[in-house]
Amino acid sequence: AQTVTQSQPEMSVQEAETVTLSCTYDTSESDYYLFWYKQPPSRQMILVIRQEAYKQQNATENRFSVNFQKAAKSFSLKISDSQLGDAAMYFCARAGGTSYGKLTFGQGTILTVHP
Amino acid sequence: GAGVSQSPRYKVAKRGQDVALRCDPISGHVSLFWYQQALGQGPEFLTYFQNEAQLDKSGLPSDRFFAERPEGSVSTLKIQRTQQEDSAVYLCASSAGSSGNTIYFGEGSWLTVV
Repeated sequence: AQTVTQSQPEMSVQEAETVTLSCTYDTSESDYYLFWYKQPPSRQMILVIRQEAYKQQNATENRFSVNFQKAAKSFSLKISDSQLGDAAMYFCARAGGTSYGKLTFGQGTILTVHP
Repeated sequence: GAGVSQSPRYKVAKRGQDVALRCDPISGHVSLFWYQQALGQGPEFLTYFQNEAQLDKSGLPSDRFFAERPEGSVSTLKIQRTQQEDSAVYLCASSAGSSGNTIYFGEGSWLTVV
């Protein structure tokens, strides 16, 4: 089975500090994509960052960056300078290269940001 | 519209009723996906359309679930004879089609079966 595992059900961080959310995955494919999605209470999934497996360079989007360790099948998300608006459920997800929109999601990590 | 639109946002159905959930994707998006998200869980894939063709329905949990996209734009997910375990948020997503394109999600339809 192609699984995605998030081992931290909940995390908390002080405003302006840095937090890292963990994700590991399993795949037999050489071509795949990894994602972090944010889901606020409205339930709309918002793409935070995306990583193509063939790229060695870690993806960054402003305050969000990933640590992609392909051999270890690890894909963690680092949020720098945390803001109150970052509080949400975060999901790690994987998609195969030939089934791009068929995402496999982890169980999610609830992030709380303290003022 | 500017984003993926789903209706109804909230639906309460009595066990045994049929329900229909609508998804209006972003204009021009050829790929459309349905996901089911139970409380406290991550979304799970149900089915995928490319234009009007249903290319993958491997995630549909039973033959009570049926999806269509007859004209390659709006899609409907139909659940027949609803059961309590069908209670979930049903998320629709669309993308321009090719690998690498961003997948945009709607806000979901919250179904409660009582």
